[in-house]
Amino acid sequence: DVKVTQSSRYLVKRTGEKVFLECVQDMDHENMFWYRQDPGLGLRLIYFSYDVKMKEKGDIPEGYSVSREKKERFSLILESASTNQTSMYLCASSFQGPGVYNEQFFGPGTRLTVL
Amino acid sequence: QKEVEQDPGPLSVPEGAIVSLNCTYSNSAFQYFMWYRQYSRKGPELLMYTYSSGNKEDGRFTAQVDKSSKYISLFIRDSQPSDSATYLCAMSQAGTALIFGKGTTLSVSS
Repeated sequence: DVKVTQSSRYLVKRTGEKVFLECVQDMDHENMFWYRQDPGLGLRLIYFSYDVKMKEKGDIPEGYSVSREKKERFSLILESASTNQTSMYLCASSFQGPGVYNEQFFGPGTRLTVL
Repeated sequence: QKEVEQDPGPLSVPEGAIVSLNCTYSNSAFQYFMWYRQYSRKGPELLMYTYSSGNKEDGRFTAQVDKSSKYISLFIRDSQPSDSATYLCAMSQAGTALIFGKGTTLSVSS
């Protein structure tokens, strides 16, 4: 079974703190994604990566950065956390290519609260 | 017009009802269509996958794609309380990232 794990299920941070969210997948997927999910707004893509050390901006990259030093690990960094970054953060991974390989496998999510 | 539109609901039905969930889209180049199910406080998981037009059936679930109308549907027969979840449609062109709908929240009461 594909497994995508995220470092924390719940996280509480203070405004201005630097926050690291870690994601690890065990299926040798090329693609990895970070989303945030908010009520009424659905899933919004923050960043994705199609290879080690490669990254692409998604729809809402402002205030975030990412790091992919190893194929299995994709980190999301909030350089200076703000209250409007309180959200559910979901990591996903997939093979490259069309068709069934588009299927994204999601982690359980990290609920981040910024006070 | 947003690329993918999905009515957020909530949708409440009694156990045993037939449920119809729908999404419309604007990009005629979409070829791959998926439905994800997300239980509360969990990540989404793939439920159904369809390539191009047509129907696909898996147990109580049927996915339909009508490319001429840019409309996809998920039908759930004999709905169960365990079907209570948020259902997200997702679609893409070849080799591109999935575009997700906002999700429809379904509640099935026993």
